[in-house]
Amino acid sequence: ETGVTQSPTHLIKTRGQQVTLRCSSQSGHNTVSWYQQALGQGPQFIFQYYREEENGRGNFPPRFSGLQFPNYSSELNVNALELDDSALYLCASSLPGQGEAFFGQGTRLTVV
Amino acid sequence: AQRVTQPEKLLSVFKGAPVELKCNYSYSGSPELFWYVQYSRQRLQLLLRHISRESIKGFTADLNKGETSFHLKKPFAQEEDSAMYYCALINNQAGTALIFGKGTTLSVSS
Repeated sequence: ETGVTQSPTHLIKTRGQQVTLRCSSQSGHNTVSWYQQALGQGPQFIFQYYREEENGRGNFPPRFSGLQFPNYSSELNVNALELDDSALYLCASSLPGQGEAFFGQGTRLTVV
Repeated sequence: AQRVTQPEKLLSVFKGAPVELKCNYSYSGSPELFWYVQYSRQRLQLLLRHISRESIKGFTADLNKGETSFHLKKPFAQEEDSAMYYCALINNQAGTALIFGKGTTLSVSS
């Protein structure tokens, strides 16, 4: 059984650019959630996917978008990057209806 | 609004001392609460959840609906307990998304 893996681990982008972050869920988990964690803060929910459909969304603008694929892996896309988007982005997978989430190691995004 | 508050940013104790990490929540309905932990250089992981009423690594947490609290306790702290602790609840308006507090760093020294 493999855990949640995220790629890349680190990324530097310029303001205004677009970025795609990737996540492979834990084996058998069909629910994937994305979180943004700014320095000194707890993770903030961006959105959740269940069976390739968005299942819930936090208070993030539309330039944050996502996808889930048939194998349950997922992508987070951010357009028109802003300096404040610099953060650790966490992916978590879970079983439907289960509160326990299994987290990846995160992608550290720096926007300059 | 659904919210989790962890009032302490840092808690420093000596080895063998009791530990209590505070967590208060705001939620309409019956909350489902968790404690997650992040050890140095490791990923965020579940420590315990209130519905299972279990003790993990000597930690327990009791849901107090009257005080809207879910404090994490351990009678005798160990150095290996040093980590960042997050209290979280499920956002029932977004599947099983979690609302996290800002976290408390627990530092246990000898």
